[in-house]
Amino acid sequence: QSVLTQPPSVSGAPGQRVTFSCSGSNSNIGAGYDVHWYQQLPETAPKLLIYGNINRPSGVPDRFSGSKSGTSASLAITGLQAEDEADYYCQSYDSSLSGVVFGGGTKLTVL
Amino acid sequence: EVQLVESGGVVVQRGGSLRLSCAASGFTFDDYTMHWVRQAPGKGLEWVSLISWEGGRTYYAESVKGRFTISRDNSKNFLFLQMSDLRTEDSALYYCVKATGSYPYGMDVWGQGTTVTVSS
Repeated sequence: QSVLTQPPSVSGAPGQRVTFSCSGSNSNIGAGYDVHWYQQLPETAPKLLIYGNINRPSGVPDRFSGSKSGTSASLAITGLQAEDEADYYCQSYDSSLSGVVFGGGTKLTVL
Repeated sequence: EVQLVESGGVVVQRGGSLRLSCAASGFTFDDYTMHWVRQAPGKGLEWVSLISWEGGRTYYAESVKGRFTISRDNSKNFLFLQMSDLRTEDSALYYCVKATGSYPYGMDVWGQGTTVTVSS
């Protein structure tokens, strides 16, 4: 059971918009700790997608966006493409655990 | 080019010990917090440990506390993870990860990983 809760799967057709939720608590996201998002393509290392809740590293298309509110955060992908099919993980810091925490990950299927 | 290359992953018996290494290049190593993150086969990401830029502060996941020790050699640009009393549930791909500059708990560069298998 992960400290950050993500739905196991999400799907969408090419061109559509999909969102990924990440639900935490008052000891992590709700305490003001930043949320970061990672994309893991099959058989590859994770890649930073969004850092500091809303920021995109250079090279990440603006189709990807992040937001945070209260004890939750979200990742949105617009203009869905086949190459977006991957696992997506949210991550933050938890003060009660004094450590970094990941969500369980959401598998995106592009229909 | 910023690069992290892990090594040291092998098959080891339950209760055994192992040291993982990570060679860093392409950035000023001693400016950054570093992490170890693991991923069991078919499972999600699990944070293992972090070490501050100067090595003075270390933090561990509860699942490895007291068994694993993170360290770094800033003179040689290396990160280490000493693992002892290994359990079958420690079997995973272990990633060496560089923290982002502004957000030490965020991770912007990942190695390709080294595989640890603990046999019973």
